[in-house]
Amino acid sequence: SQTIHQWPATLVQPVGSPLSLECTVEGTSNPNLYWYRQAAGRGLQLLFYSVGIGQISSEVPQNLSASRPQDRQFILSSKKLLLSDSGFYLCAWTGTLLMGYGYTFGSGTRLTVV
Amino acid sequence: AQTVTQSQPEMSVQEAETVTLSCTYDTSESDYYLFWYKQPPSRQMILVIRQEAYKQQNATENRFSVNFQKAAKSFSLKISDSQLGDAAMYFCAYKDNAGNMLTFGGGTRLMVKP
Repeated sequence: SQTIHQWPATLVQPVGSPLSLECTVEGTSNPNLYWYRQAAGRGLQLLFYSVGIGQISSEVPQNLSASRPQDRQFILSSKKLLLSDSGFYLCAWTGTLLMGYGYTFGSGTRLTVV
Repeated sequence: AQTVTQSQPEMSVQEAETVTLSCTYDTSESDYYLFWYKQPPSRQMILVIRQEAYKQQNATENRFSVNFQKAAKSFSLKISDSQLGDAAMYFCAYKDNAGNMLTFGGGTRLMVKP
């Protein structure tokens, strides 16, 4: 069966420090991968999505970037964090043939920039 | 662009009673999918129920059912026999057949009173 792993679960980073959040999917190949951010008590904001290795689409211009170095690995990065980058980050995947079944989400990373 | 609107930021229900959460969407497509996701305090996103637009029959999953009104572009979620564990944020989401992404509504916070 397919599973999605996201880490770390929580992270406290100082302003100006770099960021790397990782998401991996098991049990499938060529998944569509997504990064979302959620502010406290708010909805989900799509940050990036990827339909294949090296293919990244950015939905919101910001201080973050994403990469997909391997088929089932999706990384969210920043060179210098801002206070406004604080939030809850969710990774999600779906299969090309499973688009009608919605996304499966990881357990999320709570990022606090201090 | 498609939009999804949840007009109720917060709802409350007495335990064992029934509650309905509203969702409307805007699209020019005829073939699409609709979803309800639940996000409990753990913030894990859980798929509750899905509906295929070409199916007239409303989807049902145990105590959860939807009222899908295609002409009105309405997709409400009914929770019967509400339980304390139903307390969560609920997100309505839309996906058309061609795109790679879900569009989420802003969410409704459901509180369940004992």
